[in-house]
Amino acid sequence: QKEVEQDPGPLSVPEGAIVSLNCTYSNSAFQYFMWYRQYSRKGPELLMYTYSSGNKEDGRFTAQVDKSSKYISLFIRDSQPSDSATYLCAMSAWGAGSYQLTFGKGTKLSVIP
Amino acid sequence: GAVVSQHPSWVICKSGTSVKIECRSLDFQATTMFWYRQFPKQSLMLMATSNEGSKATYEQGVEKDKFLINHASLTLSTLTVTSAHPEDSSFYICSARATGREFYEQYFGPGTRLTVT
Repeated sequence: QKEVEQDPGPLSVPEGAIVSLNCTYSNSAFQYFMWYRQYSRKGPELLMYTYSSGNKEDGRFTAQVDKSSKYISLFIRDSQPSDSATYLCAMSAWGAGSYQLTFGKGTKLSVIP
Repeated sequence: GAVVSQHPSWVICKSGTSVKIECRSLDFQATTMFWYRQFPKQSLMLMATSNEGSKATYEQGVEKDKFLINHASLTLSTLTVTSAHPEDSSFYICSARATGREFYEQYFGPGTRLTVT
């Protein structure tokens, strides 16, 4: 079992839809959970981070972490064509000077006008 | 702000030769830079972490003598793939953490696609 599992998609939704992106993980030591967005031929950019369990909202984006289920989600409300990109989840246990991020494979999202 | 560049964006080299990839933080100082590798349909895998002025820390399974990393200044890190082979063909991405920022606040470069023939 891989440490982080993420459905690669592709996922196509109509403009205005609510998008749900998810990752599961196996390492219970993970404490930091991040979502990155990657446009074609660009490097990933940090969208949101969450520490431990709970929800975090930023505009149209909501990140949820359920450590008991080892499951994280990213919701995008009122999706726009400009949201079309690959979304990667990443996690870290951090500590002892380790900065290692463990990434999912990414989910390719297309928002159709 | 927080722009990271990589050069070249795409390189083709012959088996047995060496290739150098540069990673620059353009508008901030980066104490720490990270090098990742991504094979098709696979996730980003951390290869090594480099801190300015010190030796890089390599992840398990990454040959330090094959992938030479030099973080000579607060804005430049280089990755040299020595004696490249076709199995080294991949997408190499660097990221940089600004001095004083959290570890997860990494700014990524656009990546370098290496093809070894």
